[in-house]
Parts: sequence; structure tokens; C-alpha cells
Amino acid sequence: EDQVTQSPEALRLQEGESSSLNCSYTVSGLRGLFWYRQDPGKGPEFLFTLYSAGEEKEKERLKATLTKKESFLHITAPKPEDSATYLCAVQAVGETSGSRLTFGEGTQLTVNP
Amino acid sequence: KAGVTQTPRYLIKTRGQQVTLSCSPISGHRSVSWYQQTPGQGLQFLFEYFSETQRNKGNFPGRFSGRQFSNSRSEMNVSTLELGDSALYLCASSSQAYTGELFFGEGSRLTVL
Repeated sequence: EDQVTQSPEALRLQEGESSSLNCSYTVSGLRGLFWYRQDPGKGPEFLFTLYSAGEEKEKERLKATLTKKESFLHITAPKPEDSATYLCAVQAVGETSGSRLTFGEGTQLTVNP
Repeated sequence: KAGVTQTPRYLIKTRGQQVTLSCSPISGHRSVSWYQQTPGQGLQFLFEYFSETQRNKGNFPGRFSGRQFSNSRSEMNVSTLELGDSALYLCASSSQAYTGELFFGEGSRLTVL
């Protein structure tokens, strides 16, 4: 069974204080690892897809990296508007997997001004 | 381009009743997935439809069902509601089969009393 574990559950940062969120996963065969952002009262919003170990993706203050067992979401010089819950998800290979994602429970990030 | 639209946004039901939730995907998207989000379990996959066919189903009891229409709109139904069915039900659409890059709606928040 595919599993995704995210840590920490919650993280408080001061504006400008860089940090990383962790996503550990086990999957029978990885088709892709995904990062989403979810604001209160909203649905998740897609951020990144990573397909293979060593791959990195960047968007503004966010950088996602992938190894064979985990992924990191690095946040550089965060701003209050980066406050949200960040979700990690994996998609397994196989005809029957379709677009099915297994999500972690997320890291709730708060950035104080 | 309009996003994924879910109706109703909020609803309250009592135990034993049934409920139908509706989802209109982004125009041109043929894949629709449904997820249940609760504080304790996070996002859990319910089912996925592609071109009116259920392609995948999560580990939920048979009380949870869904369907997709020829215009790609989807509905999910929960019969004989239980207190534990209280959750945010999220619909997501995608333009391609087998992609994990999903576009989520804002969800339907169901409260079962």
C-alpha cells in the first residue's frame, strides 16, 4: 500500500526565515510525486511534479527536490502570503492507477510578518 | 477559463439520509476524480472517471457511488449517511489521463447530524 508521511505537522516561521518541509514516501513504483498548496476554505492548488530522483523544480520562493525515499520543499525567505498547508502526494505506475493520488496529511505553514 | 465548480458548497444532513454532490470540470477536461478530506485522515481518494467510465475506486464502502455524464460533469452520491461521513468532498479534473496534475474545486462541505 502506498504511503506518504509529511513532517513537521506545523511550522511557524518569521518572514525571511528559510526552512524545509519533508515528505517521505513508499510506493510500489513511482510515476510522479506532486506538491500542492491548500489555503483555508479552498481546494488544493498544484505546485510541482517530480518524476525521478535528483530532479528539482523551482517557482518563486519554493524549490522541490526528490530522492528515492523522500522529497523536500524548500522555502527561501518566505513571506506571510506563503502561509498555507502544503500537501505532498504520490502517483503509482500501472494501468489501474489512473490519476489516483495518495496524499500525506500536510504541513501547515505560518509565516509571521 | 472557468475553474472546477462544485455544488452545493455547504449542506447539512441527518443520519440515514442520502446526499448527491455535483461537479462541473474545467471545459475540455475529461477526467474527474473525487476525494474526501477530513482532519484525521487527510485527503482520501474516492473514485475517478474518464469518458463516463469509472477507472479507479478507493477503499470506501458501497454507500459511496458516482457517475460521469457525456459532458464530463460528475456526481457522487452517499446513501445512508453516517456521522463519520462529515467531511469536505473535493472534486478535481484533469486534461489528460494518468496525470497527477489535478485542478481542484473548492469542495462541498457536508455535515451529518
